[in-house]
Amino acid sequence: AQKVTQAQTEISVVEKEDVTLDCVYETRDTTYYLFWYKQPPSGELVFLIRRNSFDEQNEISGRYSWNFQKSTSSFNFTITASQVVDSAVYFCALSRAGSYQLTFGKGTKLSVIP
Amino acid sequence: SAVISQKPSRDICQRGTSLTIQCQVDSQVTMMFWYRQQPGQSLTLIATANQGSEATYESGFVIDKFPISRPNLTFSTLTVSNMSPEDSSIYLCSVEGRGGETQYFGPGTRLLVL
Repeated sequence: AQKVTQAQTEISVVEKEDVTLDCVYETRDTTYYLFWYKQPPSGELVFLIRRNSFDEQNEISGRYSWNFQKSTSSFNFTITASQVVDSAVYFCALSRAGSYQLTFGKGTKLSVIP
Repeated sequence: SAVISQKPSRDICQRGTSLTIQCQVDSQVTMMFWYRQQPGQSLTLIATANQGSEATYESGFVIDKFPISRPNLTFSTLTVSNMSPEDSSIYLCSVEGRGGETQYFGPGTRLLVL
């Protein structure tokens, strides 16, 4: 069975601080995909990144960066110099190769205080 | 990514009634998915809807309660039948993304059942 754990339920930071959202996953598959989605207060789910299990390179996109470590089954997400617009619930998710079934974590609510 | 719209964006319904939610995508996709997100919770897959075949329901969800139609490659509906307050949730549709295994989500339908 697959499982995604986001231990941080809520995080509050002051604007311009860096923040890391943790994601730990469990799977018996050797090939799988990891995702991060952002859900702002309006409710839509915004795709941020997909990473496959064979690519452990860290990725940076503007103020966002992702640290994938297979050894610890973690796929953490860092926002640098946070902004109020980053306030949202962030979901980490997992799927096996060849499947569209997503297993979501419970989400981390990030509040960025001006 | 595909542009996905949902109607209605929100609704308040009376117990015992039914609501049909529409999902429209701007390009042809084989697979569409329906999710439920109960208040403060993560997303749970209700069913997978492929054009030309019966929807495949996840454990805990049945066709009588959540009938789904998929008449063509750009459109699907989810009906929430005989509603109770426990059905108050955000209902989201998603579609497969190009490149496999990625899903893109619609803006969601916020449903409140009184």
